[in-house]
Amino acid sequence: DQQVKQNSPSLSVQEGRISILNCDYTNSMFDYFLWYKKYPAEGPTFLISISSIKDKNEDGRFTVFLNKSAKHLSLHIVPSQPGDSAVYFCAASEGIIQGAQKLVFGQGTRLTINP
Amino acid sequence: GAGVSQSPRYKVTKRGQDVALRCDPISGHVSLYWYRQALGQGPEFLTYFNYEAQQDKSGLPNDRFSAERPEGSISTLTIQRTEQRDSAMYRCASSLRLAGFYNEQFFGPGTRLTVL
Repeated sequence: DQQVKQNSPSLSVQEGRISILNCDYTNSMFDYFLWYKKYPAEGPTFLISISSIKDKNEDGRFTVFLNKSAKHLSLHIVPSQPGDSAVYFCAASEGIIQGAQKLVFGQGTRLTINP
Repeated sequence: GAGVSQSPRYKVTKRGQDVALRCDPISGHVSLYWYRQALGQGPEFLTYFNYEAQQDKSGLPNDRFSAERPEGSISTLTIQRTEQRDSAMYRCASSLRLAGFYNEQFFGPGTRLTVL
């Protein structure tokens, strides 16, 4: 039972354009959502997060949008740069306030930025 | 400072053998997590510790898997009587603080386990 789903295994975007990565979840108890970025032969690194009390969080070129009614979040990268080429994982957690920080990850989307 | 380190980076073993995977978290990090990642999938939670106490082991697949963190720092994930289906990347992560708000989890490079 996949509670966090990234339905696009790969995405190719031209440099300078907007990259949009999507993620859907099924567990309505999730209250914190994160995006991780992973380069080959390295561990995932935290990119940006959003609490369920918000619908948008922005950090430089990266913006995460949360639509709780649709159980959907997305990561926007604008403008896309070649260094953004990586695998992006969506993750979710429930009970952050209580300290439960078990992350449930999606399958990942491989983003390729073309020059 | 040094990040999360894991050893060995690669482990090849024969079916039926026991393996021990080590995680050295970032110094001072209170919480430590173990995940397993199959090819083409995201990391899957196995267990986590706050200090030396194992808080949640709901993700451990069966009783062949165990983990410990006796002094609240280095952790070992042990798989007994390995099976081919145990082959995966095993990742460790650590975070600085406890409850109340999200603490970023810093991941190590992983141990690639292959069971022949």
